Amino acid sequence: DQQVKQNSPSLSVQEGRISILNCDYTNSMFDYFLWYKKYPAEGPTFLISISSIKDKNEDGRFTVFLNKSAKHLSLHIVPSQPGDSAVYFCAATSSGTYKYIFGTGTRLKVLA
Amino acid sequence: DADVTQTPRNRITKTGKRIMLECSQTKGHDRMYWYRQDPGLGLRLIYYSFDVKDINKGEISDGYSVSRQAQAKFSLSLESAIPNQTALYFCATSGTGTSGRVYNEQFFGPGTRLTVL
Repeated sequence: DQQVKQNSPSLSVQEGRISILNCDYTNSMFDYFLWYKKYPAEGPTFLISISSIKDKNEDGRFTVFLNKSAKHLSLHIVPSQPGDSAVYFCAATSSGTYKYIFGTGTRLKVLA
Repeated sequence: DADVTQTPRNRITKTGKRIMLECSQTKGHDRMYWYRQDPGLGLRLIYYSFDVKDINKGEISDGYSVSRQAQAKFSLSLESAIPNQTALYFCATSGTGTSGRVYNEQFFGPGTRLTVL
């Protein structure tokens, strides 16, 4: 039972354009969401997060949008750069549990 | 210096062997986690610990055991390894750091690639 789903295994985007990575969840108790980036041969690194009390959080080129009614979040990267090429994982948790459930990941390739 | 370290980085073993993966952290975090990554399945939680005396099963704990020897050390054991435990294993930490700041995000080690023949 996959509680956090990333339905696109891969995505290719031209440099300078917008990358949109999507994530869906099924557990209505989740109220905190995170995105991680993972390069080959390295562990995932934290990118950006959002609490369910917000519908948008922005950090530089990265913006996360949360649609609670649809149980959907997305990560926007604008403009995309070749260095953004990596696997992106979304994760979700219920406050106070400190138990994080990850999605299956989306491999982003930014073409120069 | 790496804040979360994992040893070994690579390991090849045979079916039925006992193996231990080790994780150490210098971040002062109270929470530690073990995940495995498989192609198409993402990161799945094996075990997690909130302190030395608090160990919890994750999504896929069968076939694994853990030990929290100290706040900074969290080991994962495979008592009798089997081929479908071949995967990339990650340790992660979160919680209140030495600065007093509370981290909700996790900090991951570099991973251990385990192959069970």
